[in-house]
Amino acid sequence: TQLLEQSPQFLSIQEGENLTVYCNSSSVFSSLQWYRQEPGEGPVLLVTVVTGGEVKKLKRLTFQFGDARKDSSLHITAAQPGDTGLYLCAVTNFGNEKLTFGTGTRLTIIP
Amino acid sequence: GAVVSQHPSWVICKSGTSVKIECRSLDFQATTMFWYRQFPKQSLMLMATSNEGSKATYEQGVEKDKFLINHASLTLSTLTVTSAHPEDSSFYICSAPSLARFTDTQYFGPGTRLTVL
Repeated sequence: TQLLEQSPQFLSIQEGENLTVYCNSSSVFSSLQWYRQEPGEGPVLLVTVVTGGEVKKLKRLTFQFGDARKDSSLHITAAQPGDTGLYLCAVTNFGNEKLTFGTGTRLTIIP
Repeated sequence: GAVVSQHPSWVICKSGTSVKIECRSLDFQATTMFWYRQFPKQSLMLMATSNEGSKATYEQGVEKDKFLINHASLTLSTLTVTSAHPEDSSFYICSAPSLARFTDTQYFGPGTRLTVL
């Protein structure tokens, strides 16, 4: 079982600031996904990255997949209170549908 | 997008009783569904893979006799927590993968909060 470490574990910042969270492993993935989960709800998919070095943007969110496909980052510009939640990265292995989730980053944006 | 529902959304039961949780794919068929458990302030941990027409496969450390999984049809999987104890209190979430080609998309249910007294 591969371990997906996310950092930081907790992050609390003021509205309008920028932030980056990370997802790291020693293993290579076939694809990596980022999810946001709010309390009492299931996770919601934000993005899937499959190509090493790939960068995807979703409004104020920028996702990057590492060149070696072992790590990823999520950057949020001008954070808003609505960005508050648990951010989870998750990976699949080649030919396997099973998702392995990272340890999670709990983000709080202070108005 | 595809929708996955869970029922009930929350349940409180006494220690020693059994609880059944349903996971339904509402507008698509799912030959495979996944069951996760999430403890407070933690990430999701995969418990088992539910397979329509065959036995479920369990992750290491998950007791198959305690967490009974039945994939009754192409749109329904059930998880039964047998002889529940307080340590089984958790948030249980199911997911079903998209059948579309070249995609790893999974659709998650809204979760079921189980509290065992």
